[in-house]
Amino acid sequence: DAGITQSPRHKVTETGTPVTLRCHQTENHRYMYWYRQDPGHGLRLIHYSYGVKDTDKGEVSDGYSVSRSKTEDFLLTLESATSSQTSVYFCAITEGTTGNTIYFGEGSWLTVV
Amino acid sequence: RKEVEQDPGPFNVPEGATVAFNCTYSNSASQSFFWYRQDCRKEPKLLMSVYSSGNEDGRFTAQLNRASQYISLLIRDSKLSDSATYLCVVNIMKNYGQNFVFGPGTRLSVLP
Repeated sequence: DAGITQSPRHKVTETGTPVTLRCHQTENHRYMYWYRQDPGHGLRLIHYSYGVKDTDKGEVSDGYSVSRSKTEDFLLTLESATSSQTSVYFCAITEGTTGNTIYFGEGSWLTVV
Repeated sequence: RKEVEQDPGPFNVPEGATVAFNCTYSNSASQSFFWYRQDCRKEPKLLMSVYSSGNEDGRFTAQLNRASQYISLLIRDSKLSDSATYLCVVNIMKNYGQNFVFGPGTRLSVLP
């Protein structure tokens, strides 16, 4: 158990509304990641963070923003949700400064209608 | 070409069978290799790391061929509980953090 909690776990929202997903970790990991997983595409990196206020874009960052104001929290925001953002979102961490094993939260299922 | 490719599956095998999963990766700078297991509507979980010399964990054996950029996972004496999707994962170190690249996964159903 890597001590990762995601909220909400399930959400239905309307097109055009903002949505924020929260990832909370309890073990002071430096690196945190947001992925989305879709059939036929596997897991794709949206954004990642390498420290407080240090974030960078991943492979599919368009339409998403992130913030990390505290070590333990990494927020993913969909500024104006679209149906193409219906997906399952996984937060992840890597352990230590050079840890090369990635651990995932339980996922947040988002449906945009 | 995708960075990490896997057998498309699904694999349907009887209990007790031996099943092999194959994975190829395109980036020769890949440094670490893993197999993850993902149950339906659950998060991926680490099954095992893959080392150059090959490694075994009970009924599971992983092999890496860096020259061919090929990774394999062998499951012997498969159990009903092995039914899941198996993800091949490679890791490339960057200046900050790592870049994990995931294969699309191969679904395994072990049948009674």
